[in-house]
Amino acid sequence: GNSVTQMEGPVTLSEEAFLTINCTYTATGYPSLFWYVQYPGEGLQLLLKATKADDKGSNKGFEATYRKETTSFHLEKGSVQVSDSAVYFCALSPREAAGNKLTFGGGTRVLVKP
Amino acid sequence: DGGITQSPKYLFRKEGQNVTLSCEQNLNHDAMYWYRQDPGQGLRLIYYSQIVNDFQKGDIAEGYSVSREKKESFPLTVTSAQKNPTAFYLCASKGGARTGELFFGEGSRLTVL
Repeated sequence: GNSVTQMEGPVTLSEEAFLTINCTYTATGYPSLFWYVQYPGEGLQLLLKATKADDKGSNKGFEATYRKETTSFHLEKGSVQVSDSAVYFCALSPREAAGNKLTFGGGTRVLVKP
Repeated sequence: DGGITQSPKYLFRKEGQNVTLSCEQNLNHDAMYWYRQDPGQGLRLIYYSQIVNDFQKGDIAEGYSVSREKKESFPLTVTSAQKNPTAFYLCASKGGARTGELFFGEGSRLTVL
């Protein structure tokens, strides 16, 4: 079956530090890959996505590249802010899945200290 | 503004009671989903519906029920048969895009006393 594995948190950083959150996946074919962000007490928001190999998704200073050879989609940001404190979820959507159901990783909590 | 509205945001329930969580969307999306999130964990799919008057069980459907009588609405009932109902419930919808992007509501936190 499909699965997504993320590094466990919490990840604690100082402001302006470099952030990397690892994400690897198992799926048949060529899934679409996503990063969602969840701020405290809220639902999930799409942060970025990539739909084919070597695509780079980017938004709000975050980037992730779809690496088919390593089945990875690691999230990076060069200089984090306190406002980036949130839980980050990696997810995949197989193209052939009925209902286009997303499979989520367990989430990684990030805490940025001033 | 278009979006997904969940209500109530917070809900307390006594053991043995059924409770219904509301989810309404004005995005004109065909597909809608209910997920459960437990503290420190990822999301697990409860039910989903791709079209009005049709829905399918997700990975953890036991103890839950849904209906889809209107395109805009996908209410979730947490029944007394659900053994551990205390959780954060998230509703989502998806339009016609093939890439699978979901739009989420702000969630409903259910606590069983």
